[in-house]
Amino acid sequence: DARVTQTPRHKVTEMGQEVTMRCQPILGHNTVFWYRQTMMQGLELLAYFRNRAPLDDSGMPKDRFSAEMPDATLATLKIQPSEPRDSAVYFCASGLVVAQETQYFGPGTRLLVL
Amino acid sequence: GENVEQHPSTLSVQEGDSAVIKCTYSDSASNYFPWYKQELGKRPQLIIDIRSNVGEKKDQRIAVTLNKTAKHFSLHITETQPEDSAVYFCAASYDKVIFGPGTSLSVIP
Repeated sequence: DARVTQTPRHKVTEMGQEVTMRCQPILGHNTVFWYRQTMMQGLELLAYFRNRAPLDDSGMPKDRFSAEMPDATLATLKIQPSEPRDSAVYFCASGLVVAQETQYFGPGTRLLVL
Repeated sequence: GENVEQHPSTLSVQEGDSAVIKCTYSDSASNYFPWYKQELGKRPQLIIDIRSNVGEKKDQRIAVTLNKTAKHFSLHITETQPEDSAVYFCAASYDKVIFGPGTSLSVIP
């Protein structure tokens, strides 16, 4: 049963520190999404990639967030510098473009910025 | 921009009763409508989806209906069970997926 994996599962850091979250999509999936989930905002789309190319990152604060796909098996989301308001659960999801964007979510990274 | 509204935000039902969650979308180009269930502390998981060329789809106790003219779609859960308690998200997709804000469903034993 193939699954999306994410590391770390939990992260506690201090304001101003760099945070890097990693995602391994399901093998063969060519679309990767990053979401942020908070109680107040629900599931916010931050960015997504197709065939490793960024298609839309309009949901990300550009000054501190960056998303990349160094290769087909790894997607990264970085926050530098982190702020307390970044505390949330960050989900990665992957899918097949031919499946009209059916998405499979990873377990999430629970981030707490103090 | 694209928007998906979802109602109600919270829903409590007695075990065995039915639950209905309704969503509306703004982008008329949307052609794929998945529903996700998220249990507390877990990842969202796809439970059912419907494409624009179909008006209704059923999978055991779960059914979805789609009215493209009115741009709304609904999730119906019959014979609810305590394990159905979770947050349910609807979504509409053409190129990217736009999620609704979620419905917290509680099934009371």
